[in-house]
Amino acid sequence: QAVLTQPSSLSASPGASASLTCTLRSGINVAKYWIYWYQQKPGSPPQYLLRYKSDSDTQQGSGVPSRFSGSKDASANAGTLLISGLQSEDEADYYCMIWHGSVWVFGGGTKLTVL
Amino acid sequence: EVQLLESGGGLVQPGGSLRLSCEVSGISFSTNDMSWVRQAPGKGLQWVSSISRTGATTYYADSVKGRFTVSRDNSKNTLYLEMNSLRAGDTAVYYCANLQIAVAGTVPEYWGQGTLVTVSS
Repeated sequence: QAVLTQPSSLSASPGASASLTCTLRSGINVAKYWIYWYQQKPGSPPQYLLRYKSDSDTQQGSGVPSRFSGSKDASANAGTLLISGLQSEDEADYYCMIWHGSVWVFGGGTKLTVL
Repeated sequence: EVQLLESGGGLVQPGGSLRLSCEVSGISFSTNDMSWVRQAPGKGLQWVSSISRTGATTYYADSVKGRFTVSRDNSKNTLYLEMNSLRAGDTAVYYCANLQIAVAGTVPEYWGQGTLVTVSS
């Protein structure tokens, strides 16, 4: 079982909100981890969005709009990237990442389609 | 302006070697841990290696351990990745980034544009 699992795709409408999940493998407690989120558009490197550990421990990337935010769902053992007020430019691949076992681990990524 | 400029990618035969470089400007290179992350065509991101700011500590993904060596020259603001015994599975775009070792105060927001490594006969 992968350390981080993300749904492969998600669709949402312009103006709506999208919730992208990153589920940690059983036995890895989400409460202990900073969850990092990146956005990647075709042909471009990943862009750092934010990292989130708790509501009081979160760090937005430079110039990243506040409509991108992080949270956790302890019951699901998952981190979540919430994008509100979806715009067409938000269509991209989104990756979560954690530092686990002395290595950086990425989720498989979610392709977000805005239509 | 922050710039991370990778170079050294190209076509190499299986079993061959390649050395990637990443020249950094606009940030304090010597106070940043640095990392390499790769992305195979049409696939997701995969962390490859990280090196501490002094170069004293290095980390590698299991898939490259023993074949790849990360190093840096702080006098030249340059990060390197020496890749040996290359396999088809190493084909990817290789990015350098200021991705720190472990969670640190520095946000990993600076990435290069990437350099493509193709391993094929």
